[in-house]
Amino acid sequence: DTAVSQTPKYLVTQMGNDKSIKCEQNLGHDTMYWYKQDSKKFLKIMFSYNNKELIINETVPNRFSPKSPDKAHLNLHINSLELGDSAVYFCASSQPGGGGYTFGSGTRLTVV
Amino acid sequence: GQQVMQIPQYQHVQEGEDFTTYCNSSTTLSNIQWYKQRPGGHPVFLIQLVKSGEVKKQKRLTFQFGEAKKNSSLHITATQTTDVGTYFCIGDAGGTSYGKLTFGQGTILTVHP
Repeated sequence: DTAVSQTPKYLVTQMGNDKSIKCEQNLGHDTMYWYKQDSKKFLKIMFSYNNKELIINETVPNRFSPKSPDKAHLNLHINSLELGDSAVYFCASSQPGGGGYTFGSGTRLTVV
Repeated sequence: GQQVMQIPQYQHVQEGEDFTTYCNSSTTLSNIQWYKQRPGGHPVFLIQLVKSGEVKKQKRLTFQFGEAKKNSSLHITATQTTDVGTYFCIGDAGGTSYGKLTFGQGTILTVHP
């Protein structure tokens, strides 16, 4: 009964490859997010979708493309992976009115 | 632009000692949220503060929101080894339904038994 599930948990890939991370939430939340956490544990928001529509798009290379087929899913596709993309990527969801963000368990991406 | 500064960056305590982390925003916030992230884990929502001067308690944790809604603190009384992890705040400036979010850098708490 995982509330926000993302796959894979670990991803090791070579520079230049294209990879995707999937996220699904069963909380009925309207808004979903992608966050990046670097090696210093600093969390940065990348994208936010509300009901399949993009509402926040922070300064992120256009190699990163989110896709939301429905409000329960938000996937992240990364083209031409670079060493600097290595990080932990968290998916999250929320509902307006409080209650905070519910995070997935994270995907540790390592680019070699 | 809006910033949320969180201090300290690291805190080492002996089990039983108290611990406090502070978040200070350059602008007035609509609300502030606190999260805990265990080593190797994901952030877990602890609480949201909305009202000026609000104080909320969860067992040994006390959360405060400043009168000006720019500052917030998380205080843990008599730390236990289970309290280890990174505590961070997320400040929401509001203004739209989804606000403008800024993240504290986090305080990494180590508790020595």
